[in-house]
Amino acid sequence: EADIYQTPRYLVIGTGKKITLECSQTMGHDKMYWYQQDPGMELHLIHYSYGVNSTEKGDLSSESTVSRIRTEHFPLTLESARPSHTSQYLCASSEYADPNEKLFFGSGTQLSVL
Amino acid sequence: GEDVEQSLFLSVREGDSSVINCTYTDSSSTYLYWYKQEPGAGLQLLTYIFSNMDMKQDQRLTVLLNKKDKHLSLRIADTQTGDSAIYFCASSSNTGKLIFGQGTTLQVKP
Repeated sequence: EADIYQTPRYLVIGTGKKITLECSQTMGHDKMYWYQQDPGMELHLIHYSYGVNSTEKGDLSSESTVSRIRTEHFPLTLESARPSHTSQYLCASSEYADPNEKLFFGSGTQLSVL
Repeated sequence: GEDVEQSLFLSVREGDSSVINCTYTDSSSTYLYWYKQEPGAGLQLLTYIFSNMDMKQDQRLTVLLNKKDKHLSLRIADTQTGDSAIYFCASSSNTGKLIFGQGTTLQVKP
């Protein structure tokens, strides 16, 4: 069973609020990812990291930011939430040296911005 | 850009076989994957296949790869109600990132 945790599971918040979605993994994986998933749509990569102090933007433009100060922790922050940010956010990790690139996913955070 | 396409919905009866299909565009994909997502949960890796293989079998799961046509399929034998979920096909891109399809919702009727 994958040891990757996301909190909160559900978040309902008003427009303009600052929010941070937490993601932690205990597997010592170097690579971590944030995906955005809308119903009936594919997963879109919005941020990824190859290790501490490494962060990159993904394929889908996002107004969120990430940080990677510790290997196990990869939080995602929205400075000013808007209704267009309503979505499911999935965090994942993988081993850097794994050629199979197997991803382990957290359970997701369902964000609703009113 | 690279793309992965799947049909959105499949309905089968319990005990039947399910076949979920996927097409991808990146001919340089090294690995192709099937992930399963149950309601309210993240994605779980079901199986994967190396691009130089045609077939991989793992208990009730059979993956078929037609590299020439860039077509991947997942067959679930003796489908159970617990197999009801969304199944995502994914390919590894030459940038090292995974590209996911839209997901196929499998509905298993008792």
